[in-house]
Amino acid sequence: QKEVEQDPGPLSVPEGAIVSLNCTYSNSAFQYFMWYRQYSRKGPELLMYTYSSGNKEDGRFTAQVDKSSKYISLFIRDSQPSDSATYLCAMSPTGRRALTFGSGTRLQVQP
Amino acid sequence: EAEVAQSPRYKITEKSQAVAFWCDPISGHATLYWYRQILGQGPELLVQFQDESVVDDSQLPKDRFSAERLKGVDSTLKIQPAELGDSAMYLCASSSSSGRSAGELFFGEGSRLTVL
Repeated sequence: QKEVEQDPGPLSVPEGAIVSLNCTYSNSAFQYFMWYRQYSRKGPELLMYTYSSGNKEDGRFTAQVDKSSKYISLFIRDSQPSDSATYLCAMSPTGRRALTFGSGTRLQVQP
Repeated sequence: EAEVAQSPRYKITEKSQAVAFWCDPISGHATLYWYRQILGQGPELLVQFQDESVVDDSQLPKDRFSAERLKGVDSTLKIQPAELGDSAMYLCASSSSSGRSAGELFFGEGSRLTVL
């Protein structure tokens, strides 16, 4: 069993929809949680960075961490066709250790 | 805006040949990572450097892969000999070890390897 599990999708939604992306993990030592967006044939780019539990909002994006359930979420409001990409969750026990990634969820936003 | 530079972007080689990838991290970033991403999967760590020292190479197939960061700045990842299963995207990332952005990984565009 992988340390980080993520539904691969694809997830197809109409423009303007609210999107919910999720990951579960097994390592209770994880403290740093991130979401990356990766367009086809490109490197991942950081979207959201959260330390420990709680919520963080940045524009149309909201990240939630529930350490008691070992579950993290990314919400995208008013989704746009330009949001079509693969979304990777990633986590680490400290700020000095490499990130462990989920397998990514492919999102398609239909115009 | 500072970026992680990687080259080549694309490499096609025949199995049993040697290949090398180069990475120049964001200036001042002491930590450098090489990840491998197979199509449809998430990135998996190959090696982590702190300055010129290897911190973690537990997932690096050392019989054929080698990585170095001699002066603690840029880095080279080598595969010799390449095998069909090595076809993947090789991603370099760097991070600062301290401050508010500690732990944030900044990725390059990747080097896509195809082994025939």
